[in-house]
Amino acid sequence: ILNVEQSPQSLHVQEGDSTNFTCSFPSSNFYALHWYRWETAKSPEALFVMTLNGDEKKKGRISATLNTKEGYSYLYIKGSQPEDSATYLCAPPGGGGNKLTFGTGTQLKVEL
Amino acid sequence: DVKVTQSSRYLVKRTGEKVFLECVQDMDHENMFWYRQDPGLGLRLIYFSYDVKMKEKGDIPEGYSVSREKKERFSLILESASTNQTSMYLCASRAGTGKFSGNTIYFGEGSWLTVV
Repeated sequence: ILNVEQSPQSLHVQEGDSTNFTCSFPSSNFYALHWYRWETAKSPEALFVMTLNGDEKKKGRISATLNTKEGYSYLYIKGSQPEDSATYLCAPPGGGGNKLTFGTGTQLKVEL
Repeated sequence: DVKVTQSSRYLVKRTGEKVFLECVQDMDHENMFWYRQDPGLGLRLIYFSYDVKMKEKGDIPEGYSVSREKKERFSLILESASTNQTSMYLCASRAGTGKFSGNTIYFGEGSWLTVV
């Protein structure tokens, strides 16, 4: 089983705060890393797919960076809003590239 | 608009019953996946399929089997349901063949199964 760790497990921030969380994964046999956002009562939805060491992706107030040599990715949210409240999952593929193994996620709650 | 549909959203079954969870995707994707989600454990892969009639075990296949007779449909089967299989089950699909290409995975809305 691929060892994927996300930290922190949960996070409470105030509206307007900026925040970040980490996804750690084995750096060998890297193919790509996915970030997903999972809001309650909805399906997980894709945020980013990152493939190259040093990749930096941005979508509105959310951005992510990737370090494949040391095996981690950071997700940043600038100026958090209540609608950012969700569980954020990362998934690096394992098992020869076909499987997608998810971390346990970081649960973010943004309070007014 | 892409769609992954799980036919049953909420089910209550008795211990020992055979349970079928059905998933259909309309995107002609080669790969389909079944995960279960439990508090504190995240999404865990049960089985996946990369082609019709092809399947591979995920990380927690015990107590489950799958069927993929048509490209668009991937069924998860609990041969004899047990209370420890009470969980939320999530189906997903992805385009692409061979090694992982970085294509996005699309998820269904989940099926909540309670085994009593």
